[in-house]
Amino acid sequence: KQEVTQIPAALSVPEGENLVLNCSFTDSAIYNLQWFRQDPGKGLTSLLLIQSSQREQTSGRLNASLDKSSGRSTLYIAASQPGDSATYLCATNGGSQGNLIFGKGTKLSVKP
Amino acid sequence: NAGVTQTPKFQVLKTGQSMTLQCAQDMNHNSMYWYRQDPGMGLRLIYYSASEGTTDKGEVPNGYNVSRLNKREFSLRLESAAPSQTSVYFCASSGVFVRAELFFGEGSRLTVL
Repeated sequence: KQEVTQIPAALSVPEGENLVLNCSFTDSAIYNLQWFRQDPGKGLTSLLLIQSSQREQTSGRLNASLDKSSGRSTLYIAASQPGDSATYLCATNGGSQGNLIFGKGTKLSVKP
Repeated sequence: NAGVTQTPKFQVLKTGQSMTLQCAQDMNHNSMYWYRQDPGMGLRLIYYSASEGTTDKGEVPNGYNVSRLNKREFSLRLESAAPSQTSVYFCASSGVFVRAELFFGEGSRLTVL
């Protein structure tokens, strides 16, 4: 059964710092891996989707990488801003399961 | 662009009452999903519809039923609400089952007393 883990559960950084969020998964037979952002009281917003054949995807200050063999993905945020404060979740499919399995998220706080 | 729209946004029920959460998407997506989000448990899949005319159980289907009314709409019904169903419910859709980007609604906060 696919398990998705995100460490740390919470992270606080000063504005301007570059940071990395981690996501690990146990079953490497994945179609893709997705990163989401969730603001308090809101739904999830898709940030990046990496197909299983890709190594990384970039969008603005965000860069996500995927290493299937080690069961890891990272989300790199450059020059963090207070507006980046939110919970970040990763999700991927299970090997024999069709649906997406979500990590519990990393709550990011960027201090001015 | 509306994207994925859920109604109602808030609801309070008494134990044993029934209700239906409505979800509609305007992106012509084939697949739709219902998740619940609970503190410490993360997001868990209740039911999904990989394509119009099909529905399947997810991780936590007990106490729920779903209807894929048409390609746009996917409803979630609680027949006899229980306090354990107090949660935030999210509807989501994707162009292709699992293999495409997932778009979420804003959520429906349900409290069962």
